[in-house]
Amino acid sequence: AQKITQTQPGMFVQEKEAVTLDCTYDTSDPSYGLFWYKQPSSGEMIFLIYQGSYDQQNATEGRYSLNFQKARKSANLVISASQLGDSAMYFCAMRINAGGTSYGKLTFGQGTILTVHP
Amino acid sequence: DVKVTQSSRYLVKRTGEKVFLECVQDMDHENMFWYRQDPGLGLRLIYFSYDVKMKEKGDIPEGYSVSREKKERFSLILESASTNQTSMYLCASSFWGSLSGANVLTFGAGSRLTVL
Repeated sequence: AQKITQTQPGMFVQEKEAVTLDCTYDTSDPSYGLFWYKQPSSGEMIFLIYQGSYDQQNATEGRYSLNFQKARKSANLVISASQLGDSAMYFCAMRINAGGTSYGKLTFGQGTILTVHP
Repeated sequence: DVKVTQSSRYLVKRTGEKVFLECVQDMDHENMFWYRQDPGLGLRLIYFSYDVKMKEKGDIPEGYSVSREKKERFSLILESASTNQTSMYLCASSFWGSLSGANVLTFGAGSRLTVL
């Protein structure tokens, strides 16, 4: 069975600094996808970034980048130039692409609360 | 621009009551999901459905059932609510079968259920 681990319950960062949120995963399937979602205090889940297991390059989306280290089974999220609005809960998640298709279900980590200080 | 709508944002129920949580999506997605979110545990999958009248158990189905009579609607049912079902419940949907790109789950705003 697949597993996602986020070992940082909470992180603090100064505005305009960069921050890395850790995520490790465990699966024996060769084809999978890794996701990061942001959940502000309002509760909605906002998709941030995606990395496929066969992607050669690390994914980037604006200020978000995913540091994908396949051999270490890690998929850390890097937020550059933090803003006050980045304060939220962040979830790492994995989808197994079994049998050439996907029902899309995600397995989530425990989450990391990020607080950005002015 | 709301795409996944959960019928109730906050509910308070008594132990033993039957509880219905409704979710509707307007994106013509095949897949629909129910997760519960608890502090320190993240999101855990309760049930999902990949077609009308089809359902699959997730990781924590005990104490829950689901219904999908129409493509756009996926209901979560607590037959006899208990205090350990107090939680935030999140509905999500996605297209079926697409491995290209992210095939992102789109979530509703959540339903916070308190069972007294």
